[in-house]
Parts: sequence; C-alpha cells; structure tokens
Amino acid sequence: EDQVTQSPEALRLQEGESSSLNCSYTVSGLRGLFWYRQDPGKGPEFLFTLYSAGEEKEKERLKATLTKKESFLHITAPKPEDSATYLCAVQAWDNQGGKLIFGQGTELSVKP
Amino acid sequence: NAGVTQTPKFQVLKTGQSMTLQCAQDMNHNSMYWYRQDPGMGLRLIYYSASEGTTDKGEVPNGYNVSRLNKREFSLRLESAAPSQTSVYFCASKSLAGVGLIGETQYFGPGTRLLVL
Repeated sequence: EDQVTQSPEALRLQEGESSSLNCSYTVSGLRGLFWYRQDPGKGPEFLFTLYSAGEEKEKERLKATLTKKESFLHITAPKPEDSATYLCAVQAWDNQGGKLIFGQGTELSVKP
Repeated sequence: NAGVTQTPKFQVLKTGQSMTLQCAQDMNHNSMYWYRQDPGMGLRLIYYSASEGTTDKGEVPNGYNVSRLNKREFSLRLESAAPSQTSVYFCASKSLAGVGLIGETQYFGPGTRLLVL
C-alpha cells in the first residue's frame, strides 16, 4: 500500500535557524513527489515536483531533495513569513487518474 | 486566470440536508479531484474525474456523489449530510501527462468549509 509519513508533526524555529522537514514514502514505483505549502484557511500551494533519486530543486530559502525512500525540504535562514504547513505527496506509476497520496503535513512556526 | 474556484466558501447544514459544492477551473485541465481535509488525517481523495465524461471513486467516497458537468466544472454532492462530513473540502485540477508520462502537478482551490450540525 502506498504511504507517506512526514516528520516532525510540528517544528518551531527562531528566525535564521535552518532546519529540515522529512517525508518518508513507500510507493510501488514513484512517478513524482510533490511539496506544497498551505497557509491557514487557504488551499495548498504548489512548491516543487521531484521525479528521481538525486534530484534537487530550489526556490528562495527552500531546497527539496529526493532519495529512493525519502525527501527532505531544507529551510535556510527562515523568516516568519515561511510559517505554514508543508505537505508532501506522492504519485505512483500504477495508479489510475494521477491520484496523489498525501502525508499529514509538518506545521512550521518561525518566530522573530 | 482565476485558476481553481470553489463555491461556497463556508456552509452550515443540519443533519439530513443536502447540498452541492461547486468547482470550476480555467486552465483547460483534463483531470479534476475532490479531497477532504480533517485534523490529523491529511488530505484524502473522495472522487476524481480523469477526463471529461468519466468519474471514479477515491479513498473515501461513501456519502458523496459527483458530476463532471463539462471540462471546466466538477461538482460534489452530499445527499444526506452527516456530522462526520464536517470538514474542509478542496477541489484540484491537473493537465494530462506530458512527454515520458512524468508526474503532473495538481493545483488546488481555496476550499469550502462545511459544518454539519
């Protein structure tokens, strides 16, 4: 069964304190791994797609990496505006319709 | 482009009442999805429509029906609402697979917050 587990559930950082969020996955053939950001009361906002182990993508203070079993979202020198819930999802090759399996998310809080 | 839009933004129902959640996208996407999000449960797929004219069940379809009205619109209906259907509902859409059939990104709407009393 395809499964996604994110850790930690919640992370509190001081402004400028770098850290990483983890997304562990079990999938029968990875077609794509997706990172989203979700602000309170809003819909998920797309950040990155990773397709194969070793791939990395960056956007401002965020960098996503992928191995065969997990993905990391590295946050360098975070600012309070980076506070949000970060969601990880996978798409498998054998699922029909392009369905995504989501993790439960990591709630990030960055204090000034 | 507005992207994915959802109506209403918030709704309160009594147990047994019915309602339809509306979703529309203006990105010419082929596939559309309905998810629900509950605390501690993450996003779970209710129904999806891989292309116009088709619909399929997701992980939690019981108590729901869907209609793919046309390429732009995908509605979710609760025939007899129950308190267990209190949740935040998100609609999403994506295009068909590109070269190499790599994973395609789903884009989400702002959500409908539903409270069933």
